[in-house]
This record gives sequence, structure tokens and C-alpha cells, in this order.
Amino acid sequence: DSGVTQTPKHLITATGQRVTLRCSPRSGDLSVYWYQQSLDQGLQFLIQYYNGEERAKGNILERFSAQQFPDLHSELNLSSLELGDSALYFCASSVYMSTEAFFGQGTRLTVV
Amino acid sequence: EDQVTQSPEALRLQEGESSSLNCSYTVSGLRGLFWYRQDPGKGPEFLFTLYSAGEEKEKERLKATLTKKESFLHITAPKPEDSATYLCAVQDSGGYQKVTFGIGTKLQVIP
Repeated sequence: DSGVTQTPKHLITATGQRVTLRCSPRSGDLSVYWYQQSLDQGLQFLIQYYNGEERAKGNILERFSAQQFPDLHSELNLSSLELGDSALYFCASSVYMSTEAFFGQGTRLTVV
Repeated sequence: EDQVTQSPEALRLQEGESSSLNCSYTVSGLRGLFWYRQDPGKGPEFLFTLYSAGEEKEKERLKATLTKKESFLHITAPKPEDSATYLCAVQDSGGYQKVTFGIGTKLQVIP
């Protein structure tokens, strides 16, 4: 158990809908990362927050947004969902920005 | 743009047959190189961080090494439970310290 909690574990929704994925980082970790992993692709970095502030953006679509709250948990919002958004979404946390990250078990999103 | 290339894509070993996985990287400035292990349907599990060329780290049957252009993950006398996908990632030393992952090497160890 990495100490990073992601909910829900599975999510099935229809095209055009909006969903929210939640992540609770390890106790004491200030940095939260979001990644997308599709079957034919590796881990794609989406966005990083450090102590409530956005610090880095990767290949995140405009339909996606995220935030980190004062209690350090984070949410990833995905809207106007398309079939191609079906993937595993991972959250990871680390103490600082430049240390190893610990991953949650992921949320498997299926868009039908 | 930072790039990470892992080879081979898949590797099948007999139990006890040692081998190495390769991670070649291109980054403007290296903050750190990470190795992770990922089991199917699970989140990646952290293994090692390497920061500078010449550095080596070991954990049980695994040993990671780093040069200026690549890293190797050596697996000595592997067991079936070592079967997993091994991911390499680099973090650049720029302002945002972005992390870039490779596609991974899928390792299967046969009893």
C-alpha cells in the first residue's frame, strides 16, 4: 500500500458527460501529480500541483482541469467525455517536487 | 523535448537467467532518473532514484546503474514474482521539473 488513495476505482459513463476523480496523497506529501495511461501508450503526465499551486502542465486537454485543496487532496475533472478518454488515471504524490513519487491504484474510466 | 526510450519492449527469461533492461534518455538537464515496477492493473511501485552518472543502487535481485545517456536495470537470477512491466522516468532540472516516462519493458520470468 503506497498510502495514496484514489476514488472511485472504476467509473463507467457516457460520452459527453463530466466526471470527477479524487486523490488523497500520502500523509506529509505536498506534491500531487496526475497521469493518464492508455493501453497503447505509456504514462502520460497531465498536471502537477505543489502545496495548492499548479506547478507543471503536460499533455492535459482543455476539457480536463484539476485543483489541489488546502487539505492537499486533489481532484481531476474530465468533461465532454469522448470514447478516447477511456484509460487508467493515476494520481501520485511526493514530499517535494523533485523526489520520487508514490502512486495510487488508479481509477479505471470507461466511456461508452 | 525530453525523451525516454526503453528496450527491449518485452523480455522472456527462464528463472535464474540474469539479464539487463535499458533506458536511454534525452533531457536538457537531469534532475533524477527513476525506475518503477508496475503489475497489471496496478499503480507503479517505486524502485530506485539515480541522480548522477556512475551512481548505482541495489535492491534484492535488482541493480540500477546510470551513465550520462542511459540507465540499466540488471536483474540477477530472476524469479517468477519479478514478472512485471519496468518503467523508467526522467525528471528535468528546469523550472517545472517535468517527469517523462518511457513505455516500459514487460518482463516475464518462466519457472
